[in-house]
Amino acid sequence: QQQVKQSPQSLIVQKGGISIINCAYENTAFDYFPWYQQFPGKGPALLIAIRPDVSEKKEGRFTISFNKSAKQFSLHIMDSQPGDSATYFCAASSQGGSEKLVFGKGTKLTVNP
Amino acid sequence: DTEVTQTPKHLVMGMTNKKSLKCEQHMGHRAMYWYKQKAKKPPELMFVYSYEKLSINESVPSRFSPECPNSSLLNLHLHALQPEDSALYLCASSQDFTFGNTIYFGEGSWLTVV
Repeated sequence: QQQVKQSPQSLIVQKGGISIINCAYENTAFDYFPWYQQFPGKGPALLIAIRPDVSEKKEGRFTISFNKSAKQFSLHIMDSQPGDSATYFCAASSQGGSEKLVFGKGTKLTVNP
Repeated sequence: DTEVTQTPKHLVMGMTNKKSLKCEQHMGHRAMYWYKQKAKKPPELMFVYSYEKLSINESVPSRFSPECPNSSLLNLHLHALQPEDSALYLCASSQDFTFGNTIYFGEGSWLTVV
């Protein structure tokens, strides 16, 4: 039973373009939505996170958009760079804690030079 | 650089062997985790320790045995594993179980069971 659905599975973008990854959830108890970035051979690293009381959060070239009514959230990477090539996981947790993160299946992003 | 250190980075073991994975963090975090990650899949939670006590066991087979000797160390003891247990094992930590705390992952230990 997948509680967080992530799409697309893979994404190829040209350098300077915008990368968009989408996630949807069903559990209305989810109240914390982080995005993790994972490079090959490395552990996941927190990229950016959002709570449902805001609709957008921006950190540098990375923006999370959150639509509570639609139960969807997305990651936008502006001015995508080859160094952004990695696998991105959205996640969600409930009960006010970070201990039971539910991950999406991941999106492999390739940014061509 | 990650502040969660895992050793060894690579481990090959036979199905009758006993081995251990080790994890250390010096960030003063009081919650520590073991995750398992198969290729092209997201991490799957195995165990959570909170203040050195086992808080969550996600129905993990008993051939995996976690241990938290102190607030900085976390071990995963392995015994009689199966080839399907081959995966990347990730240790992680967070300040505690408070809402929105960042979970920091180590680089993982690649385990191959032969």
